[in-house]
Amino acid sequence: DGGITQSPKYLFRKEGQNVTLSCEQNLNHDAMYWYRQDPGQGLRLIYYSQIVNDFQKGDIAEGYSVSREKKESFPLTVTSAQKNPTAFYLCASSISRNSGGYYEQYFGPGTRLTVT
Amino acid sequence: LAKTTQPISMDSYEGQEVNITCSHNNIATNDYITWYQQFPSQGPRFIIQGYKTKVTNEVASLFIPADRKSSTLSLPRVSLSDTAVYYCLVGAPGGGYQKVTFGTGTKLQVIP
Repeated sequence: DGGITQSPKYLFRKEGQNVTLSCEQNLNHDAMYWYRQDPGQGLRLIYYSQIVNDFQKGDIAEGYSVSREKKESFPLTVTSAQKNPTAFYLCASSISRNSGGYYEQYFGPGTRLTVT
Repeated sequence: LAKTTQPISMDSYEGQEVNITCSHNNIATNDYITWYQQFPSQGPRFIIQGYKTKVTNEVASLFIPADRKSSTLSLPRVSLSDTAVYYCLVGAPGGGYQKVTFGTGTKLQVIP
């Protein structure tokens, strides 16, 4: 079955440590996204990528880094510079074309990160 | 990006039709209107999308007036399993990107 996988589902880290969240998709989508969701809040965009080796900052990129070395993979690193890293992290992907129109985003199951 | 405004929460009894309205006064000509559903601790799921007039699928209907400054998601005969947060999004690709903004959504509570 095609879809997006995120691992692990729950992640615990000590403050000051970097941590990398995995996101893999087999939908052959060009675009991938990372969002952060805090309790009772909506989703906020961290980074997005349209093609391999290219990515753009979203609204809250500070303290995060990403890479896009393969079309299928878009890992997110939460660095020690992120002041409030505890949150629910969601990865998504979508078709990306230049022909116009809007293409729905497919979301993974999310990773709940707790930093103490 | 167009800003959207929707009610923070709504309650409905099982079996009733639920209408959730979203305001997007500064919607651009190329923008589409899309609704997502999110259950707790899960990623959002696409429900329906439209550009103008009415769109219907097996899950919901989307009503968009001629001026496109608002839209209404209609869920027929809701059940307890429809309890979720519903997000209204407005956006269009720019250079191939589909960067849209998720607001806080509308939390729908279905009551038995």
